[in-house]
Amino acid sequence: AQSVSQHNHHVILSEAASLELGCNYSYGGTVNLFWYVQYPGQHLQLLLKYFSGDPLVKGIKGFEAEFIKSKFSFNLRKPSVQWSDTAEYFCAVRSGGYQKVTFGIGTKLQVIP
Amino acid sequence: GAVVSQHPSRVICKSGTSVKIECRSLDFQATTMFWYRQFPKQSLMLMATSNEGSKATYEQGVEKDKFLINHASLTLSTLTVTSAHPEDSSFYICSASRQGESYEQYFGPGTRLTVT
Repeated sequence: AQSVSQHNHHVILSEAASLELGCNYSYGGTVNLFWYVQYPGQHLQLLLKYFSGDPLVKGIKGFEAEFIKSKFSFNLRKPSVQWSDTAEYFCAVRSGGYQKVTFGIGTKLQVIP
Repeated sequence: GAVVSQHPSRVICKSGTSVKIECRSLDFQATTMFWYRQFPKQSLMLMATSNEGSKATYEQGVEKDKFLINHASLTLSTLTVTSAHPEDSSFYICSASRQGESYEQYFGPGTRLTVT
């Protein structure tokens, strides 16, 4: 069974600081990888996804993530965070040809102005 | 486009009663809908996957007789929590995949169920 680990459960940063949120998964085959974001009071939205090709994926709002197959990782990064990035971030994995997506526990990011 | 709504957003019911939660894709046809449950400080746990016109596929440990799922049309799926108990109190979230886009899910805003 696939599983997803997010190492940081709660991150507090000052504006303009750089962000990296860790995500590791356990599945040896072909995977599709996602980062979702949930802003306060809003529903989950897709931030970016990886299916194939360039392992460095760029998403909305200046976020990017890098798929490192050898490390089973898909870390999320942003060079300079803003107060509006305060949200909860979920890493998710879909394996093989299955529809099921497994989510990590989520990381709450708080950006202090 | 790709908006998913849920109704109601919050519901409080008495123990032993049943509650129905609706999930609608407002501007697209959803061949597949997913129902998740989220406990406080925990991740989304997939409960079941439903394809329009066929029976839902439940995840291990989810009671299909307790959590009835109906996906009667390409824009509507319902989750009925039957004989609800306080331990069923949770946040229920649905998502939907568009026809031809099986990889991407669009999430609803969720429904907070409280069973007293």
